Amino acid sequence: DTGVSQDPRHKITKRGQNVTFRCDPISEHNRLYWYRQTLGQGPEFLTYFQNEAQLEKSRLLSDRFSAERPKGSFSTLEIQRTEQGDSAMYLCASSTGTSGNTIYFGEGSWLTVV
Amino acid sequence: QQQVKQSPQSLIVQKGGIPIINCAYENTAFDYFPWYQQFPGKGPALLIAIRPDVSEKKEGRFTISFNKSAKQFSLHIMDSQPGDSATYFCAASLGGGTYKYIFGTGTRLKVLA
Repeated sequence: DTGVSQDPRHKITKRGQNVTFRCDPISEHNRLYWYRQTLGQGPEFLTYFQNEAQLEKSRLLSDRFSAERPKGSFSTLEIQRTEQGDSAMYLCASSTGTSGNTIYFGEGSWLTVV
Repeated sequence: QQQVKQSPQSLIVQKGGIPIINCAYENTAFDYFPWYQQFPGKGPALLIAIRPDVSEKKEGRFTISFNKSAKQFSLHIMDSQPGDSATYFCAASLGGGTYKYIFGTGTRLKVLA
């Protein structure tokens, strides 16, 4: 499978705990995106990497959120001190930047904060 | 200015019908307009996309119509099938290097057998 891979697919955590999601982009895609999607809504942009550099962060990405992409390959999204409002699907996507703006999404990581 | 407005919120059609989903935008700097299909519990999958210099694009049973002057674009699904039942999202991209997408709120389509 050469698509965008995300892990874990589902995570249930208690409020206040930290969680980390991993994304493996399509091989050789230098651009990587994180989006958040809540029920009944479209995906909302969180942040974007070109290679290992984080070039843009949304206002939605509070201080409790941090994303990294060491070595420009896989990426992690960590949420510290989770709140119930963080419950959502976290989507990772990647692109080459030369594919006509097309970005390819993974299957998402569902987070439920109880 | 960054919003993409999508309608209707939900749509029910008979098999073989032609559902039409509409989107509107304000920011004329948007330069790429994709449509995504999403099944429950899955990530969005690209269906078809268009640039503003083209008024129509067809791929299989899916057609995008684009009206640059009205700042509107729509998705038509020809000969719809029960397997097309999903949520459809339009999006717009600013390009210019980031290529981040602004998504509409989605249309839940149900095709009756």
